[in-house]
Amino acid sequence: DAGITQSPRHKVTETGTPVTLRCHQTENHRYMYWYRQDPGHGLRLIHYSYGVKDTDKGEVSDGYSVSRSKTEDFLLTLESATSSQTSVYFCAISDRIGTANTEAFFGQGTRLTVV
Amino acid sequence: GESVGLHLPTLSVQEGDNSIINCAYSNSASDYFIWYKQESGKGPQFIIDIRSNMDKRQGQRVTVLLNKTVKHLSLQIAATQPGDSAVYFCAEKAGGGNKLTFGTGTQLKVEL
Repeated sequence: DAGITQSPRHKVTETGTPVTLRCHQTENHRYMYWYRQDPGHGLRLIHYSYGVKDTDKGEVSDGYSVSRSKTEDFLLTLESATSSQTSVYFCAISDRIGTANTEAFFGQGTRLTVV
Repeated sequence: GESVGLHLPTLSVQEGDNSIINCAYSNSASDYFIWYKQESGKGPQFIIDIRSNMDKRQGQRVTVLLNKTVKHLSLQIAATQPGDSAVYFCAEKAGGGNKLTFGTGTQLKVEL
């Protein structure tokens, strides 16, 4: 899976608790992304990073924050988890998309359940 | 790995037949398109891509067609095999950006 590791792979948490998901890459790609996948919606972008300490919002960023202190790590934090954040979360990495051999590569996903 | 029980459009084909999966995209400024395959319990995997200055691109057993006039993308899989059973997503990149926007996906089921 292109050197992408997501952790944890599964998590059950209670409403109102903070949760952090980690994405680690060994490919030295510049861009990193967090997507969520839900029935009927496909993959939707939460946040992305275009370099260390450089991040921007995606289409469903409310309730989420991210941090990237190193090239290889991109953290997604739910400050106070809600049931609507129950989902499967995917991390992706890429260099400049659309240039030669630079599609986005995805991790295996994290299933998060908020009860 | 993870996947979701998606309520998706489903395409059922017989093994050995050709499959055509369609996708309508929304942004006329999109300049790059990708097809991904997602097997149960795994993350999406790249199949084939195409730039907006092309209307057709071929890979091994797969062909992508792009019609910019009607903002339509299709994926053709030749001689469909059981291993092709998966969810297929199209994704588009708007010009100037580096983010992919995904369609909702199509479930391909290959019947023996």
